[in-house]
Amino acid sequence: ELKVEQNPLFLSMQEGKNYTIYCNYSTTSDRLYWYRQDPGKSLESLFVLLSNGAVKQEGRLMASLDTKARLSTLHITAAVHDLSATYFCAVDPNYGQNFVFGPGTRLSVLP
Amino acid sequence: NAGVTQTPKFRVLKTGQSMTLLCAQDMNHEYMYWYRQDPGMGLRLIHYSVGEGTTAKGEVPDGYNVSRLKKQNFLLGLESAAPSQTSVYFCASSPRGNAWAQYFGPGTRLTVT
Repeated sequence: ELKVEQNPLFLSMQEGKNYTIYCNYSTTSDRLYWYRQDPGKSLESLFVLLSNGAVKQEGRLMASLDTKARLSTLHITAAVHDLSATYFCAVDPNYGQNFVFGPGTRLSVLP
Repeated sequence: NAGVTQTPKFRVLKTGQSMTLLCAQDMNHEYMYWYRQDPGMGLRLIHYSVGEGTTAKGEVPDGYNVSRLKKQNFLLGLESAAPSQTSVYFCASSPRGNAWAQYFGPGTRLTVT
């Protein structure tokens, strides 16, 4: 059974600080996705990582994928309050037919 | 271009009642999905469809049925609702293959009393 874990589950950080969210998964997958969810809202796609070593950046967020270690990271640089949300990673080893999501990391950026 | 829409947005059911949730997408996507989201558990896949007329079970299919009679619509049915089905339900769609992220609908908040 494919398991996806995220660490930490809750993160409270001050504006201006850097931090990394980790996503581990238990079976081979060369595709990994990051999503953002604001409270009471739907999910929004942030990154699609399609191969080992893939790195993508958007604003203060940077995601990377190490398929050999079965690990993805979401790095936050100089956090701002607007980044407060829940972040989910998801893997799909069956090519579009079975996405499995992690439990989410709830991020609060404090002024 | 509305993206992915879901009907209804909120619903309260009594135990044993039935209902159908409708998901519609106007992006001509092949793949469609139904998830449920419970506190602290992320999203869990209920059923999915890789094309018109085809459906398959996901991680938590028990108590639910689906149909995809038209490419743009994916229906989720609860034949006899149970309190354990209280959840937020999200529909999503994506083009063929997993090189693409999923596009999510706004969600349906269902309470079963």
